[in-house]
Amino acid sequence: DQQVKQNSPSLSVQEGRISILNCDYTNSMFDYFLWYKKYPAEGPTFLISISSIKDKNEDGRFTVFLNKSAKHLSLHIVPSQPGDSAVYFCAAMANFGNEKLTFGTGTRLTIIP
Amino acid sequence: EADIYQTPRYLVIGTGKKITLECSQTMGHDKMYWYQQDPGMELHLIHYSYGVNSTEKGDLSSESTVSRIRTEHFPLTLESARPSHTSQYLCASSDGGRALSDEQFFGPGTRLTVL
Repeated sequence: DQQVKQNSPSLSVQEGRISILNCDYTNSMFDYFLWYKKYPAEGPTFLISISSIKDKNEDGRFTVFLNKSAKHLSLHIVPSQPGDSAVYFCAAMANFGNEKLTFGTGTRLTIIP
Repeated sequence: EADIYQTPRYLVIGTGKKITLECSQTMGHDKMYWYQQDPGMELHLIHYSYGVNSTEKGDLSSESTVSRIRTEHFPLTLESARPSHTSQYLCASSDGGRALSDEQFFGPGTRLTVL
């Protein structure tokens, strides 16, 4: 049973426009959420995170929104740049526990020049 | 800057061979992890460690074993590799000292192919 779901396997966005990547979760114990970015032949790199006590966290071009009632989070990238082309993984953690991350299947983002 | 290393990066071996995938980190992190990822799929945690002499099984059952004799080193061993072990193996570490251990640093991964 997949507890973290990224229903869009791929997304194409024009350079300069906004990229919106979505993630849904089912486990109500999750209280910390992270986005990782992965280039081919490399390990994932941390991008941005959000605690369940917030509904928004912003870092430069990247903003993560959390809707706890809907168990949904999204990553906004604006403006999108060609270097943003990668696979983006959503991950969740139940902080009061052993801090294991549960990952989604990823969304491949392609930025079109 | 994250300093976590994995060797080899790519490995092609025959069935029945014993292999060890190496993972080292120079950040002094207490927690280390091994994930397995198939193409287009999520990362599955197969092993983790809270510190020296601590090892735990992850969410995905794996025939591999791990050891944590030194803080910086977390090798993964397959005693007898099979084609079903073909996958990418990712090692990660995190600083377990914070209340919210927000960030796991990942190594570049080892892509294993068992023929």
